[in-house]
Amino acid sequence: EAGVTQSPTHLIKTRGQQATLRCSPISGHTSVYWYQQALGLGLQFLLWYDEGEERNRGNFPPRFSGRQFPNYSSELNVNALELEDSALYLCASSLGTGDLEGTQYFGPGTRLTVL
Amino acid sequence: DQQVKQNSPSLSVQEGRISILNCDYTNSMFDYFLWYKKYPAEGPTFLISISSIKDKNEDGRFTVFLNKSAKHLSLHIVPSQPGDSAVYFCAASAHWDFGNEKLTFGTGTRLTIIP
Repeated sequence: EAGVTQSPTHLIKTRGQQATLRCSPISGHTSVYWYQQALGLGLQFLLWYDEGEERNRGNFPPRFSGRQFPNYSSELNVNALELEDSALYLCASSLGTGDLEGTQYFGPGTRLTVL
Repeated sequence: DQQVKQNSPSLSVQEGRISILNCDYTNSMFDYFLWYKKYPAEGPTFLISISSIKDKNEDGRFTVFLNKSAKHLSLHIVPSQPGDSAVYFCAASAHWDFGNEKLTFGTGTRLTIIP
């Protein structure tokens, strides 16, 4: 069974540009989560989508947004890129709010570099 | 406010011996706890989890212990193998508090297994 996939693997942008990151969850999973791991920092929760709806967001500015498509894949958009947005962006999926435990499985990540 | 803490940034253990990684939490709403293993520039790999209704869960060489009164959990790896060398993250969620399925991560412990 295929795991969580993310694309692209690496992305290089300049300040002020927009970045779009994509994630495909494990088949059968309806919840998608986005996390940021900046250099020297831990994993910080960004966004959670379930059944096409944004359910929760972390302490990040509105420049960070996203959506979930009918096939449960998801897109993370970062507008007006700043240097400190350079980080590893991780997507995770789970069975959704009906799951008794909610284990999240992670993809390999997208390394975003802002120059 | 660091709700999940891993106070040991690093740990070195002889191959074949037991590795014990510790984690403390402060939020009494957390009811589901997970351990992930992570290599640089890769996504975290799920290892083992435990629900707050249990105090122990075992899976092969990995055992997680939960002490709710002390708000403490630990991961035991026996016997330790060179391939276990990685950064280990403890994570927690308030799964039954709808809207809070996000994972809160500790800062990680770098485990090095010495051959």
